[in-house]
Amino acid sequence: DIQMTQSPSSVSASVGDRVTISCRASRDTSKYLNWYQQKPGKAPKLLIFAASSLQSGVPSRFSGRGSGTDFTLTISSLQPEDYATYYCQQSYITPPTFGGGTRVEI
Amino acid sequence: QVQLQESGPRVVKPSETLSLTCAVSGASVSSATHYWSWIRQPPGKGLEWIAYMSHSGSAKYNASLKSRVTISIDKSKNQFTLTFNSMTAADTAVYYCARVDGAHSGLGIKFDYWGQGTLVSVSS
Repeated sequence: DIQMTQSPSSVSASVGDRVTISCRASRDTSKYLNWYQQKPGKAPKLLIFAASSLQSGVPSRFSGRGSGTDFTLTISSLQPEDYATYYCQQSYITPPTFGGGTRVEI
Repeated sequence: QVQLQESGPRVVKPSETLSLTCAVSGASVSSATHYWSWIRQPPGKGLEWIAYMSHSGSAKYNASLKSRVTISIDKSKNQFTLTFNSMTAADTAVYYCARVDGAHSGLGIKFDYWGQGTLVSVSS
């Protein structure tokens, strides 16, 4: 299985800050990398697919970059509704695997 | 609007079998475009993919769970089911059903619609 490692595990930030989360795969996943946002008690929500494509309806302050083994999710200007846990997920090979999550908090 | 809704028991006893159903509205489980999946999340922990199935009945399982898991589709009811046997305390988790998009896109699969999740506790 491909192991996905996210860093940091948590980050403290203020409204308006630029926040960047990293995700590293244990082997090459090309651009088969998705990002999800999960709020407490809720299901994950797809934000970014194929490393950099914005899912329909997701605000443009979210962006993704990377290929191979190293990927980033950036929130350009943090909004109050963005406080959540973010997960990366590779879909290069089965089983699809998720990172351990990064909590964005005040 | 696509909606998924899990249903099933909230508590199962150790060694028993769990059966969860996901009712789909706004989309068809008979669609050749999408697959249908189960994912779980132990309390306070990360996400683990369990299995997915296509409209034709072709299924993929997480190898670590494969011996205990079966996924099936009921086209007449537009729903799909997870059966998980020999449950233990380690299987206590929120179980999510989700739609899989992109299986034929060349961009990799993604879970684009999710149910709200159902917490299943394994306890005697």
